[in-house]
Amino acid sequence: EADIYQTPRYLVIGTGKKITLECSQTMGHDKMYWYQQDPGMELHLIHYSYGVNSTEKGDLSSESTVSRIRTEHFPLTLESARPSHTSQYLCASSPETGLNTEAFFGQGTRLTVV
Amino acid sequence: AQSVTQPDIHITVSEGASLELRCNYSYGATPYLFWYVQSPGQGLQLLLKYFSGDTLVQGIKGFEAEFKRSQSSFNLRKPSVHWSDAAEYFCAVGLYGNKLVFGAGTILRVKS
Repeated sequence: EADIYQTPRYLVIGTGKKITLECSQTMGHDKMYWYQQDPGMELHLIHYSYGVNSTEKGDLSSESTVSRIRTEHFPLTLESARPSHTSQYLCASSPETGLNTEAFFGQGTRLTVV
Repeated sequence: AQSVTQPDIHITVSEGASLELRCNYSYGATPYLFWYVQSPGQGLQLLLKYFSGDTLVQGIKGFEAEFKRSQSSFNLRKPSVHWSDAAEYFCAVGLYGNKLVFGAGTILRVKS
């Protein structure tokens, strides 16, 4: 069973607040990812990291930022939440070796900005 | 650009009936293909994957998928659906760096 954890699972917050979505994995994976998922839509990659101090923007533009100070931790931050940020955010990780490895996903954080 | 199409947004099948979920991809090179399942309130779980070799791959929970290069398809099948299979299913193509491009998903409903 995958050991990747996201907190909180659900978050309702007011417009303008700063929020951080936590993601931690205990598998020692170098590669980590954040996907955004709107209902009935594809998951879109918004950030990824290939290791400590490595962060890149994904295919979908996002106002969020990420950091990777430790291998196991990949938090996502929104400096000023807006209703357009309402979505589900899924964190994933995968081992370093090769292209043909699967990604392990957390349970997601469902964010609602009111 | 790479893309994945799942033509069916919702599918309803009777328990015990067979199931086929469609997936078509657009990718210039040899694709790495995945099927994931997401139960309500849960993260994505890998059902199966295709990288090379035998075009019929077996996965967990009795699922299988067949890669057809000529049709750019990777359809998921199960011979007999159980009520616990009700979930959302995502097809994905893997890119360099283990990034995934997902389809929009197919919601499976199982009626008893």
